[in-house]
Amino acid sequence: EPEVTQTPSHQVTQMGQEVILRCVPISNHLYFYWYRQILGQKVEFLVSFYNNEISEKSEIFDDQFSVERPDGSNFTLKIRSTKLEDSAMYFCASSAGLTGELFFGEGSRLTVL
Amino acid sequence: GESVGLHLPTLSVQEGDNSIINCAYSNSASDYFIWYKQESGKGPQFIIDIRSNMDKRQGQRVTVLLNKTVKHLSLQIAATQPGDSAVYFCAEKNYGQNFVFGPGTRLSVLP
Repeated sequence: EPEVTQTPSHQVTQMGQEVILRCVPISNHLYFYWYRQILGQKVEFLVSFYNNEISEKSEIFDDQFSVERPDGSNFTLKIRSTKLEDSAMYFCASSAGLTGELFFGEGSRLTVL
Repeated sequence: GESVGLHLPTLSVQEGDNSIINCAYSNSASDYFIWYKQESGKGPQFIIDIRSNMDKRQGQRVTVLLNKTVKHLSLQIAATQPGDSAVYFCAEKNYGQNFVFGPGTRLSVLP
């Protein structure tokens, strides 16, 4: 069964450092997303991406965040200068169409010290 | 503003009983809803979905009910099993491309 894969599963970084989280969406999907989940809280939308550009972003997705699809398979989330409050589980998701099921990866846990 | 919320943050049920998890939403324009299950340390896993032109949809041991009049969504799990223990989120599709998630309900199945 096709799945969304994410790396790394866990990353520990110092405050102020840059972090790149990587995702390989399901191959025939066209819409890509990043969500985050602070421990014990709900899943929050960060950004959606379609046709090589951001289609929507939330207030959380400020200038410290960026996304990129550098090739035909990877979808990355970069945090330029991490803050303590960036510590969370980051989930990548993809969907085949604008309406329809979101498939989530297993997440990347980011710990900022 | 738009919000998706849950009435009960935790729910404990006896194994074999039926579970009902509720969700309220405020955006009457939402036309697609999904229930996700999240086990500890894992990503959300699709359970069942429903579109706004329906009021009920059934899957294997699960049923989703949609009441658009009161903007209420529920997930019914029949014959709850220990493997059903998890956090359950409802997600609402709004006019944009992103899903809005509710705060989650933790379901604990008691032996």
